[in-house]
Formats: sequence, structure tokens, C-alpha cells
Amino acid sequence: NAGVMQNPRHLVRRRGQEARLRCSPMKGHSHVYWYRQLPEEGLKFMVYLQKENIIDESGMPKERFSAEFPKEGPSILRIQQVVRGDSAAYFCASSPESRGVETQYFGPGTRLLVL
Amino acid sequence: QKEVEQDPGPLSVPEGAIVSLNCTYSNSAFQYFMWYRQYSRKGPELLMYTYSSGNKEDGRFTAQVDKSSKYISLFIRDSQPSDSATYLCAMHTQGGSEKLVFGKGTKLTVNP
Repeated sequence: NAGVMQNPRHLVRRRGQEARLRCSPMKGHSHVYWYRQLPEEGLKFMVYLQKENIIDESGMPKERFSAEFPKEGPSILRIQQVVRGDSAAYFCASSPESRGVETQYFGPGTRLLVL
Repeated sequence: QKEVEQDPGPLSVPEGAIVSLNCTYSNSAFQYFMWYRQYSRKGPELLMYTYSSGNKEDGRFTAQVDKSSKYISLFIRDSQPSDSATYLCAMHTQGGSEKLVFGKGTKLTVNP
């Protein structure tokens, strides 16, 4: 049973480019969460999605960041016009239909470096 | 004041020592308390999960929650070099959003 998959694992972008991070949840999981981990910081919640719906985006920066979880395919976190401050590890977690925060399983993360 | 405070360490102990890791929090609405272990360049892995106050034991790990003091602890007995990792506490309120609020993490090294 494959765990949460994220790709790419490492992504290098120049300032002003776009970054697309993908997350495939565990089989049978329909809830996806994105977190960002800045250097020397803990994980910060960004957004919570269910299939085709954004449930909570209270942690998402207002500009340049967007997320989706389409009916088919992985969840995408998109960062437009990246800046150096966007350099961080981005983690995706998934959980099954039933509520339970203890059931959030994390992926290996995508490490974004903005030059 | 941050919602969750955790001493980043680093903490270095000899093999076999008892390790105590702690977090304090300010939001009295937190009801669920988790400890995650994160190895270098990996994703967090859930170690322990506790609802409300009390103790929970799982093998060499014991999690304690003291809601009156807004203080949680993770104890590791007979620590092993393989326990060397960053330990993150995380919390969640009952109802509402599913988001977890994390501490900064404590980096632990267990020396053989």
C-alpha cells in the first residue's frame, strides 16, 4: 500500500518562475493538506482540500499561491512568480473520509529552492 | 505569544538515557495532541496521539498531557541511536478546521 507521494522531491526555480508541486494521497484518502516548513521553523498549515473543494485556506498567502484537488489526478500546489522567501520544504498529508487528525499521513516533501 | 512553543535544542544524550521533550501552548481549545518524528530530509511520522489530558504509553514512548498547565511531554526510555531525529509536537482543536498547529521541533541526537 503506497504512502503519500509527492513530486518532484526537489525543485529549483529562478525568481519570477512558476512552481508546481504535486501530491498523490494514499489510496482511499480523499482529504489533502498542505504544510510549509521554512528553515529552522516548524510546519505551518497552508490549505485543506477535499475532492474539488477548498475547505480551509486560512494559511495560504493571499497572492501568488493557489491549490486544487481535482476529481481525477493529484492535488497541485501552485506558486506563481516565486521569490527567494518561498524556498522551503512543502509537505502534503492525506487522511481518509472519516474525520480524525491522527490519521493525517505525511508525504516525503518537495524541497523548493528559489535562486 | 506563539500558539505552540517548543525548545529547538539541540539535545544530545548518551545511548540508554531517558529523554524528555516538552511543548507549551496558549490556546485552551486544543484537545488533540500529537508527537511526530522527522528524520533528516524526510516527512513527519506520527509517533503518539493523545486526546485531552492524561498519559499514553507505547513501548519505550510515553506521552503526557497536562491541560491545566497547557504543557505536554514526550518521554523516551532506553534511548537508541536510531531515535536521533527532530521531534515535533502538534495540536488540534475539536471541531472546526482539520489543521494541525506544530511546534518548531526539537533536534535530538542519541550518541552510541
